[in-house]
Amino acid sequence: EVQLVESGGGLVQPGGSLRLSCAASGFTFSSYEMNWVRQAPGKGLEWVSYISSSGSTIYYADSVKGRFTISRDNAKNSLYLQMNSLRAEDTAVYYCARDLWVGAKDYWGQGTLVTVSS
Amino acid sequence: AIQLTQSPSSLSASVGDRVTITCRASQGISSALAWYQQKPGKAPKLLIYDASSLESGVPSRFSGSGSGTDFTLTISSLQPEDFATYYCQQFNSYPVTFGGGTKVEIK
Repeated sequence: EVQLVESGGGLVQPGGSLRLSCAASGFTFSSYEMNWVRQAPGKGLEWVSYISSSGSTIYYADSVKGRFTISRDNAKNSLYLQMNSLRAEDTAVYYCARDLWVGAKDYWGQGTLVTVSS
Repeated sequence: AIQLTQSPSSLSASVGDRVTITCRASQGISSALAWYQQKPGKAPKLLIYDASSLESGVPSRFSGSGSGTDFTLTISSLQPEDFATYYCQQFNSYPVTFGGGTKVEIK
């Protein structure tokens, strides 16, 4: 059974940092492209970042470029999101999501809440 | 970035109704479109990919159509478990973008 489990969310002050993790199981993690997608409270879905299966290709949304860093450790079946210079508008539930071969996201984690507030 | 405009933003329907949700892209995206269902407090669930391909395990009452800039998600006979919010998403180019969502409520 495919499982994606996020962790690392919490309350952080504006300007602070947080590192999210996503533990994958039930599939060959190293063969799949992965993403982070977020959802602010009561709002819609916003794609945040993409990483290829090898980690060689990375994309970011303009809203997080220069502040967030996506990475993966295929030996540990894990995906990460390092978030720096956090702002109030980064407050959201953060989901990790696996890419189907065509770019749709076929499996999602349960999400981890990040709250940026003083 | 490619913008996706969903309509309507919300609708009220009864069990058994046929429901249609549209998604318009700001530029052509071929068939690089997916549809998701999201229930409160839950992660999104993939329903349709490649504009019209039904994801494994998704009931056949869900269908998708369209290509280029205009797309449709149809629920042929609305069931109680279908009351949720639906999102379209394009994967033709980065940044990946989502539509604003359509909330399907009980009439």
